[in-house]
Amino acid sequence: DAGVIQSPRHEVTEMGQEVTLRCKPISGHNSLFWYRQTMMRGLELLIYFNNNVPIDDSGMPEDRFSAKMPNASFSTLKIQPSEPRDSAVYFCASSRQNEKLFFGSGTQLSVL
Amino acid sequence: DQQVKQNSPSLSVQEGRISILNCDYTNSMFDYFLWYKKYPAEGPTFLISISSIKDKNEDGRFTVFLNKSAKHLSLHIVPSQPGDSAVYFCAASAGGNQFYFGTGTSLTVIP
Repeated sequence: DAGVIQSPRHEVTEMGQEVTLRCKPISGHNSLFWYRQTMMRGLELLIYFNNNVPIDDSGMPEDRFSAKMPNASFSTLKIQPSEPRDSAVYFCASSRQNEKLFFGSGTQLSVL
Repeated sequence: DQQVKQNSPSLSVQEGRISILNCDYTNSMFDYFLWYKKYPAEGPTFLISISSIKDKNEDGRFTVFLNKSAKHLSLHIVPSQPGDSAVYFCAASAGGNQFYFGTGTSLTVIP
């Protein structure tokens, strides 16, 4: 079984540019999560979806961040415009309802 | 505000000895706790979990202890091996899909 697939693995962009991160969850999982890893906050939940519906986006830092899940097999996290302080590793995770999370390999984002 | 705290950013242990990683939480509604292990350039992977109805769960070299009154859990690795060197994250849930993670503890096992 393929795990959670994220792309790209690395993204380097300039301040002000739009960044789109992509995620394919594990087939059969109905919950999808976007996390950001920073030294200060560890793994910080940005947003999660249940059955493709956003349930809690209170962790999304600003209006510059948006996430979509158009179907059960695909989600995007978009940052527009990007800023240097957005530089971090972004993880996508999926799970069955109320079960443990399975994480992707992450996207290392650098905003110059 | 961090609801799950790992106050030790790093820990070094000699191979063969016991590693003890600690985690504290503030929300008394948390009833499910997990430990994840993360190698560089990889995503976190599930290691072991415990429900609040238990105070201990063991899986091979890994044991998680839960002290509900102190709102504290710990992960014991015995014996520690160099391959255990990684960042360990503690996570908690209040029965639902929202998992709160700590900031991680970087474990180094010295051969």
